[in-house]
Amino acid sequence: ILNVEQSPQSLHVQEGDSTNFTCSFPSSNFYALHWYRWETAKSPEALFVMTLNGDEKKKGRISATLNTKEGYSYLYIKGSQPEDSATYLCASDFSTGTASKLTFGTGTRLQVTL
Amino acid sequence: SQTIHQWPATLVQPVGSPLSLECTVEGTSNPNLYWYRQAAGRGLQLLFYSVGIGQISSEVPQNLSASRPQDRQFILSSKKLLLSDSGFYLCAWSVRVGGRTFYEQYFGPGTRLTVT
Repeated sequence: ILNVEQSPQSLHVQEGDSTNFTCSFPSSNFYALHWYRWETAKSPEALFVMTLNGDEKKKGRISATLNTKEGYSYLYIKGSQPEDSATYLCASDFSTGTASKLTFGTGTRLQVTL
Repeated sequence: SQTIHQWPATLVQPVGSPLSLECTVEGTSNPNLYWYRQAAGRGLQLLFYSVGIGQISSEVPQNLSASRPQDRQFILSSKKLLLSDSGFYLCAWSVRVGGRTFYEQYFGPGTRLTVT
């Protein structure tokens, strides 16, 4: 069983706060780490895919880092806004070479209030 | 642009009844296709994936089956539903290439299944 753990389970911040979440995954047989954002009543939306140790990706106010040696990734949100409210999922990719097989964590639910 | 459709959006079925959920993708050819389920309080779990017509790989033993009768059509089925089959079912697709590369998966809107 390949466990992907996310913490915290939920988070409630004020508008303008910066925040971060953690994803830990098995470092053996690692191929890639995915971050998704899942808003209520919508489909999960891909944020980042990272493959190399030390990778850093950024999209607007959201950024992510990857440490494959110790098996963790951080997602950062700078200056949280109410529209950032969503569940943030990470998934470890155990690719077969022809298919991307994702093992998801249970997510961090973020609520941003005014 | 590519789009992915799932239906129905919600379904309430009695225990022992059959199930058929359909997923279709538009705007791409030869995609990899995936079925996931999120049970209450759990993370998304990969159920099946397919790399081509008629090619199905099952990830967990269960009461469900999948089929891919056409390149962009993926069907999830059951002959007799169990209470434990309740959950939110998501279909996804990804770009398929010959080498080992990594691509985002694009998810459909999902089906909420309640087995009573």
